Amino acid sequence: NAGVTQTPKFRILKIGQSMTLQCTQDMNHNYMYWYRQDPGMGLKLIYYSVGAGITDKGEVPNGYNVSRSTTEDFPLRLELAAPSQTSVYFCASSYLGGQPQHFGDGTRLSIL
Amino acid sequence: KNEVEQSPQNLTAQEGEFITINCSYSVGISALHWLQQHPGGGIVSLFMLSSGKKKHGRLIATINIQEKHSSLHITASHPRDSAVYICAALGGPNFGNEKLTFGTGTRLTIIP
Repeated sequence: NAGVTQTPKFRILKIGQSMTLQCTQDMNHNYMYWYRQDPGMGLKLIYYSVGAGITDKGEVPNGYNVSRSTTEDFPLRLELAAPSQTSVYFCASSYLGGQPQHFGDGTRLSIL
Repeated sequence: KNEVEQSPQNLTAQEGEFITINCSYSVGISALHWLQQHPGGGIVSLFMLSSGKKKHGRLIATINIQEKHSSLHITASHPRDSAVYICAALGGPNFGNEKLTFGTGTRLTIIP
């Protein structure tokens, strides 16, 4: 079982570049989430989605965009990379809100 | 300020010891999650509980709703239990019913 798959696992970007972090799940989960994890801090919610076509902001959405065109996919877009976006990014999913979430392996992103 | 607090931040113990990790939160919630983050970075959900106690193998999670406190216990600890343990609160006026607020984690190291 694949579960939640994130790509890429590592990436280095230059300031001002753009990129998309990919996330796909094969569990037919309705809810999907993007988090960032900074050293010494708890996971922070960037965006989440309760189903295809529906997305909403989390705690730290500035500098990011998302879309949810299918149940399976929930890509996260960085338009103008900034050093403050250096972090580890996790995608997660759950069948309903509040239920235990399944996490991807994370994407380690460095902005230089 | 993070409304979910964990203690201790770091814990080192000998193999076989009984381990307790604590989590407290500032306002009423509907459920509390415990997660484990492996040294490689992957995150798995261990428990979701809203009252009483849950047990899975050598892991036990308890919650006291009145005292706004939860504990994660590990019996007969083993080096493979070395990981970061994270609690996350669901629900309540500060948290939202579909989103988790995460603690900063407790790094556990079990020495053989």
